[in-house]
Amino acid sequence: RKEVEQDPGPFNVPEGATVAFNCTYSNSASQSFFWYRQDCRKEPKLLMSVYSSGNEDGRFTAQLNRASQYISLLIRDSKLSDSATYLCVVQAGTALIFGKGTTLSVSS
Amino acid sequence: DAGVIQSPRHEVTEMGQEVTLRCKPISGHNSLFWYRQTMMRGLELLIYFNNNVPIDDSGMPEDRFSAKMPNASFSTLKIQPSEPRDSAVYFCASSFSGGAGEQFFGPGTRLTVL
Repeated sequence: RKEVEQDPGPFNVPEGATVAFNCTYSNSASQSFFWYRQDCRKEPKLLMSVYSSGNEDGRFTAQLNRASQYISLLIRDSKLSDSATYLCVVQAGTALIFGKGTTLSVSS
Repeated sequence: DAGVIQSPRHEVTEMGQEVTLRCKPISGHNSLFWYRQTMMRGLELLIYFNNNVPIDDSGMPEDRFSAKMPNASFSTLKIQPSEPRDSAVYFCASSFSGGAGEQFFGPGTRLTVL
């Protein structure tokens, strides 16, 4: 089983749509969780951390279920500028383990 | 403020040649990471330094790869000899908190080995 698994997509949605990405991880000792965003041919950048109680940042909502080892990201009211690859990231010890990413394409 | 700086941004070389990638972390950060990204394998951690000391090099693929951090503001990743399967984007990232938190990535070096 891969350490961090994501549906690669692509997810093709119209502007204004709500889209959800899911991620599962295998290491139950994982301590911290993040979503990073990577634009085409650019470096990954932190989008948001994921807390056990769930957290929201504007149109973005992240959820964590430790029992199921499952992380999600919800994007509401999608914008063209949201088009990117979203990387699920899990920390165990000193290492960050990255999923391969889910690609989102938002069209007008 | 300058972010993580990497050079060169692009490198095309022939199989068997030595390749050296360079990284300058964000000033004040005490942790530095080298990653490799390919379509097949995604983003993989190669090696991690904390306070200039290599802490975890378990991701370094083989002896052809070596990394150094002679001081807090400079690190190199060397491949000798290079092979076509080394073609990838190599990212350097730095953080303040020993990896426990946000890592800031450089723009990457796109390496092509012919």
